[in-house]
Amino acid sequence: DQQVKQNSPSLSVQEGRISILNCDYTNSMFDYFLWYKKYPAEGPTFLISISSIKDKNEDGRFTVFLNKSAKHLSLHIVPSQPGDSAVYFCAASEANAGGTSYGKLTFGQGTILTVHP
Amino acid sequence: DAGVTQSPTHLIKTRGQQVTLRCSPISGHKSVSWYQQVLGQGPQFIFQYYEKEERGRGNFPDRFSARQFPNYSSELNVNALLLGDSALYLCASSSGGPGPQYFGPGTRLLVL
Repeated sequence: DQQVKQNSPSLSVQEGRISILNCDYTNSMFDYFLWYKKYPAEGPTFLISISSIKDKNEDGRFTVFLNKSAKHLSLHIVPSQPGDSAVYFCAASEANAGGTSYGKLTFGQGTILTVHP
Repeated sequence: DAGVTQSPTHLIKTRGQQVTLRCSPISGHKSVSWYQQVLGQGPQFIFQYYEKEERGRGNFPDRFSARQFPNYSSELNVNALLLGDSALYLCASSSGGPGPQYFGPGTRLLVL
């Protein structure tokens, strides 16, 4: 039961162009969404997040869009740079059963982004 | 500022053995979560500890256990190791609220 899905295993983009990574979820209880970037042999690095009360959040070259009705989010990287080449994971979370903390992230399978010079 | 630290970085064990992995969270963070990542997949949630109490458990067997200490550092224990336990084990810390979790570099476990 994959609650968070990234249907594109890989994406190849030219330097300077836009990269768009997509993610779909099924659990309507998710209310906080995140994107992480991961290099081999390192832990995931937090990039950007969005609360379910918003539909867009920007941080420099990174913008995350959330479409709650479609249960879909996307990460836009503009302009793309060769250093952006990595595996990108989307993740979602909800408050625990007691509503006291957010500790469980549910991840997608990841998308390998390659940015060509 | 120091990020999340984990030790050891690499570990080789044989089937049936036991292993303990350690994690120190970012200063001020009271929540620690553990994840297992196998090749080609996203990290899978194992446990969350918040204020030294277990607040969440993923779909892992009872061979997996964890605890959190008064200084908020945490240990993950795995007993009776199986070949399938070979993975990257990640620790993440956060405030416990609806905010980002910050990951450590992970411990690479190989079970032979």
